[in-house]
Amino acid sequence: KNQVEQSPQSLIILEGKNCTLQCNYTVSPFSNLRWYKQDTGRGPVSLTIMTFSENTKSNGRYTATLDADTKQSSLHITASQLSDSASYICVVSVDSNYQLIWGAGTKLIIKP
Amino acid sequence: NAGVMQNPRHLVRRRGQEARLRCSPMKGHSHVYWYRQLPEEGLKFMVYLQKENIIDESGMPKERFSAEFPKEGPSILRIQQVVRGDSAAYFCASSLARDNTEAFFGQGTRLTVV
Repeated sequence: KNQVEQSPQSLIILEGKNCTLQCNYTVSPFSNLRWYKQDTGRGPVSLTIMTFSENTKSNGRYTATLDADTKQSSLHITASQLSDSASYICVVSVDSNYQLIWGAGTKLIIKP
Repeated sequence: NAGVMQNPRHLVRRRGQEARLRCSPMKGHSHVYWYRQLPEEGLKFMVYLQKENIIDESGMPKERFSAEFPKEGPSILRIQQVVRGDSAAYFCASSLARDNTEAFFGQGTRLTVV
């Protein structure tokens, strides 16, 4: 069964600190893995998209990694800001398909 | 170039009424996807439409739910005889191509059934 699991479910850190969010997937055949940021009450916004051959991709203070062998991905946020408070969702795309398998997300809260 | 527009943002319906959710894709996008999100859960695929065609409705309940994307106008997700369990956030996304790598999401419609 195609599944995406994320951990932790929620995380609270102080402003300025770094954090890493985890994603494990069992999706086959794999096409790409995406990280989305979803602010409360808003639609998801794409942060990074990685294909099978990519190990790491950065977008400003966000750096995503992908290990296709172990089917794991992480999203690292450096020097967190209050505006980073949101849900971060790991999404895996099924090969040659439009189907996206969504994780439940990690709710990140940045405290001043 | 406005993004994906969904309306209404919030919709309250009594049990048994009909709910109509509208989605205007980004300019030039002919592929539309509808998702449902329950509280504290991930988005769940409902239906994929291309202009005037339903490509995949495997995620949409067979009863009471329907979707369309006419040649002119927005895509419509219609829920007939709503029940409390239909309460959720409904998101629409659009893309230029079937490969939705560059899919953009709307702000969602929050449906509350009372």
